[in-house]
Amino acid sequence: AQSVTQLDSQVPVFEEAPVELRCNYSSSVSVYLFWYVQYPNQGLQLLLKYLSGSTLVKGINGFEAEFNKSQTSFHLRKPSVHISDTAEYFCAVSEWAAGNKLTFGGGTRVLVKP
Amino acid sequence: ETGVTQTPRHLVMGMTNKKSLKCEQHLGHNAMYWYKQSAKKPLELMFVYSLEERVENNSVPSRFSPECPNSSHLFLHLHTLQPEDSALYLCASSQDPGLESGELFFGEGSRLTVL
Repeated sequence: AQSVTQLDSQVPVFEEAPVELRCNYSSSVSVYLFWYVQYPNQGLQLLLKYLSGSTLVKGINGFEAEFNKSQTSFHLRKPSVHISDTAEYFCAVSEWAAGNKLTFGGGTRVLVKP
Repeated sequence: ETGVTQTPRHLVMGMTNKKSLKCEQHLGHNAMYWYKQSAKKPLELMFVYSLEERVENNSVPSRFSPECPNSSHLFLHLHTLQPEDSALYLCASSQDPGLESGELFFGEGSRLTVL
């Protein structure tokens, strides 16, 4: 069975500083990988996804993530954060041919300070 | 209206009440989902409907009863709930049942409080 671990539950960061959110997954088969963002009082919105091909994936709002198969990781990065990036970020994994099952990590709350 | 719409946004109910959550998607998708988001816990997949048939039921208590009358509408009927059922209930939809297209589209959620 697949599982997702987000190592940091909260990450405080100053405005214009870089941020990295860590995500590790466990699966016995090939996977699709996703990062979603949830702003206060809203649903989840897709930031970026890895399906195949290049391991460096670029998403919306200046975020990018790198798939590392040997380390089973999919860390999310942004070189310079804004106040508006304050939100909760969720890593998720779906196994190939597993149908509709998307497993989420516990989330990382990012608080951007001025 | 666009995207995925959930009503009501907030609901307070007693343990003996019967209520329903409604979800409507305007994206032409053919799969719909209910997720439960509790404080300090990962999102939990509750139900999945693909082409209006239930394909996943993750051992959810029978006090939660889903209904999918067509590909655009999804309901979650609630009865005899417990205080620990208080949570944000998120509806989502996707184009492909197998998630090959890679994206779920979420509604803004229904915040449920059980007294």
